[in-house]
Amino acid sequence: DAMVIQNPRYQVTQFGKPVTLSCSQTLNHNVMYWYQQKSSQAPKLLFHYYDKDFNNEADTPDNFQSRRPNTSFCFLDIRSPGLGDAAMYLCATSTRPSLNSPLHFGNGTRLTVT
Amino acid sequence: AQSVTQPDIHITVSEGASLELRCNYSYGATPYLFWYVQSPGQGLQLLLKYFSGDTLVQGIKGFEAEFKRSQSSFNLRKPSVHWSDAAEYFCAVRGGGADGLTFGKGTHLIIQP
Repeated sequence: DAMVIQNPRYQVTQFGKPVTLSCSQTLNHNVMYWYQQKSSQAPKLLFHYYDKDFNNEADTPDNFQSRRPNTSFCFLDIRSPGLGDAAMYLCATSTRPSLNSPLHFGNGTRLTVT
Repeated sequence: AQSVTQPDIHITVSEGASLELRCNYSYGATPYLFWYVQSPGQGLQLLLKYFSGDTLVQGIKGFEAEFKRSQSSFNLRKPSVHWSDAAEYFCAVRGGGADGLTFGKGTHLIIQP
């Protein structure tokens, strides 16, 4: 089945140690999103790629970066994780044009920072 | 900028009873509205969406939602809930272009026997 796959499901990293989360999709969607969801909160958009164009949300910290080497893959890099970055990170995709197209979410990666 | 309000943080419903989860949105133009469900430790699954046409939309798992422009609402309903419906429910609105969704804070649904 076509889907959005996030690896790993659980990631533990140390304070200040760089970490990369990965997302792949078989939907061939143009747009890929990264959301951060802290405990008992709504998902918060960090940034998205529209094809190769990167779009950062204004309040996303510089500590968070992303790469999209091809249509299928997108990575979230946290350069120096802090304790406050512990959260579920959700990857999602959608087609273009996007307005009435829903987002398709992966199952998320839960990040723990020790 | 668009926003979504889900006024109920928690709702408890008996199994077999009807359900209504409230959602109010703020958006200047015609909104694109969605309901997602999230089980513990999982991603978000789309229940239904509205962008035009019939204001009563049907979704998966027996859910429906009604768009009321005059009330800026998009409430989710189900006539008879099952224990497996216990989850977090998010209402979301979408802006223009490739913008992502803006989510409400979610409603945690508890099903009691």
